[in-house]
Amino acid sequence: DAKTTQPTSMDCAEGRAANLPCNHSTISGNEYVYWYRQIHSQGPQYIIHGLKNNETNEMASLIITEDRKSSTLILPHATLRDTAVYYCIVRVAYSGAGSYQLTFGKGTKLSVIP
Amino acid sequence: SQTIHQWPATLVQPVGSPLSLECTVEGTSNPNLYWYRQAAGRGLQLLFYSVGIGQISSEVPQNLSASRPQDRQFILSSKKLLLSDSGFYLCAWRREETQYFGPGTRLLVL
Repeated sequence: DAKTTQPTSMDCAEGRAANLPCNHSTISGNEYVYWYRQIHSQGPQYIIHGLKNNETNEMASLIITEDRKSSTLILPHATLRDTAVYYCIVRVAYSGAGSYQLTFGKGTKLSVIP
Repeated sequence: SQTIHQWPATLVQPVGSPLSLECTVEGTSNPNLYWYRQAAGRGLQLLFYSVGIGQISSEVPQNLSASRPQDRQFILSSKKLLLSDSGFYLCAWRREETQYFGPGTRLLVL
């Protein structure tokens, strides 16, 4: 699976959009970009994933560059409850084998400030 | 909707004692289930996965074991805990390309 690079930490003012970048310059054509977040002492929470096109759901938007070498997770109106570590993960689609490990790096610690 | 439960939420156990952590999933049938461990300040380590009742695959040799006695129940066990077994244990289930995690069990072995 391709390696990802994320900033160690970011701050965002409450109510503003939080834009979290991720570089994945070695991504392959069949690899998806996933975003999870982990609030302190809780299990990781799935946010969104995409392959080529931009995606949006009730939590966030995912913008993937045309060359797919980087992406940005956008939380449109950050709240204090969005303070968490955000993980960008690149992985091939599930192929039918049971072992389907997600490799979490160190992520970006997002602090939403009042 | 699907939900995943884990208990206990926290556990403090002495070295050498046995362990049993339980994970159950609601709202889906025949899920692929996973046990991960997250040590302090480190990433997730896949320990076991299961594609069906009684079917367990181990990713890392260690003193832990897993069982799947029912379709939506996944159990992590140990006969004798080690200090190095301390960590945050996460159960997950898979739907298509996405894994969904439970709330986790924080285990401290003293």
